[in-house]
Amino acid sequence: GAVVSQHPSWVICKSGTSVKIECRSLDFQATTMFWYRQFPKQSLMLMATSNEGSKATYEQGVEKDKFLINHASLTLSTLTVTSAHPEDSSFYICSAFAGDGETQYFGPGTRLLVL
Amino acid sequence: GQNIDQPTEMTATEGAIVQINCTYQTSGFNGLFWYQQHAGEAPTFLSYNVLDGLEEKGRFSSFLSRSKGYSYLLLKELQMKDSASYLCAVRPREGNKLTFGTGTQLKVEL
Repeated sequence: GAVVSQHPSWVICKSGTSVKIECRSLDFQATTMFWYRQFPKQSLMLMATSNEGSKATYEQGVEKDKFLINHASLTLSTLTVTSAHPEDSSFYICSAFAGDGETQYFGPGTRLLVL
Repeated sequence: GQNIDQPTEMTATEGAIVQINCTYQTSGFNGLFWYQQHAGEAPTFLSYNVLDGLEEKGRFSSFLSRSKGYSYLLLKELQMKDSASYLCAVRPREGNKLTFGTGTQLKVEL
């Protein structure tokens, strides 16, 4: 099936710093990618929809100035957690629909720990 | 909006069959996904149903009834590695923003 990659897989940072997470579609183009967050023992929560060439669409309650999304090409979306705090520690996962438009594939996820 | 309901936990025996149900109430519907998620990992795609009926893929099958707002995932010949969380997700009539259920944690025992 289609492959979505994320980098880094793990990141530990100090409170107040910014962290950038990359999401790439490796063998298909994705005009839209999705960013999710998942806390332990909870389900996936959609944070925002990343749109190539235009602004991201954020879900209610998600601060767009804190979670900056850039979708500069058809294969790359980035999520930057600005001024990270311990409560931002979570599992961040991106996804994209494959070329057939029927199958959504997830990246392997990025585990963020803010000290 | 979307409301999705699935059991929180299930336990089954190795070699057995287990059925995980998912019911949904939606304002618009264009398909239902099932994903498997092992602890600490991202979800992996299992199935996508748009039309009513049963779709079989090896040991896994997924069923959909649109009129009843109901789906199930059937796992046969259970193996220990099938212990995971199983998520159902509904696709809206327009757009690709999926809404996920809370997941069913399946434990396979000897």
